[in-house]
Amino acid sequence: GAGVSQSPSNKVTEKGKDVELRCDPISGHTALYWYRQSLGQGLEFLIYFQGNSAPDKSGLPSDRFSAERTGGSVSTLTIQRTQQEDSAVYLCASSPGPSSPTQYFGPGTRLLVL
Amino acid sequence: GQQLNQSPQSMFIQEGEDVSMNCTSSSIFNTWLWYKQDPGEGPVLLIALYKAGELTSNGRLTAQFGITRKDSFLNISASIPSDVGIYFCAGRSDSGGSNYKLTFGKGTLLTVNP
Repeated sequence: GAGVSQSPSNKVTEKGKDVELRCDPISGHTALYWYRQSLGQGLEFLIYFQGNSAPDKSGLPSDRFSAERTGGSVSTLTIQRTQQEDSAVYLCASSPGPSSPTQYFGPGTRLLVL
Repeated sequence: GQQLNQSPQSMFIQEGEDVSMNCTSSSIFNTWLWYKQDPGEGPVLLIALYKAGELTSNGRLTAQFGITRKDSFLNISASIPSDVGIYFCAGRSDSGGSNYKLTFGKGTLLTVNP
């Protein structure tokens, strides 16, 4: 079956512009995660969605970052007024549910802020 | 918060050699996962470990869940060029309110010289 998909695969933007990153999880997976991966670093947790529950936003680095998940499926991560330090790979992962530790990752969106 | 130390940071080996990498944690995990990330792609799950002392193989890969539940290692036997990539360990604790979260190591960059 189809895996996690993300779009765009690459995004170049100018400092101060807003960007939207999209994630389509595996069908039927109720848990969805966003991570940020900077060069040479591990994965930094950003936000977690589970079904209709309130999301865990504890990893969002500033109020310029927000995310939503519509209809329990597709998710959008929005970065407002982008800064150069936002340049990174943004990875989305989904999981069958909160009790399942295995997360399945999409290919990521490579964001470059000039 | 929980910390994962993954070592080595990088390895450069000859094709056919065996490889070993490990992760240690400051606290106990109930699940250990090993992922591989190819350039330009998202991490792909290699092996999942659920019980202390568990030894699991996936082809030429073998991983173990340490008895203390604070460490795990991954071995790759008879390396081939396509083993090149970044290997990440990840752990999950079932205690506390955020048991859906994974903590990731910073990765081991493996280069295989044909």
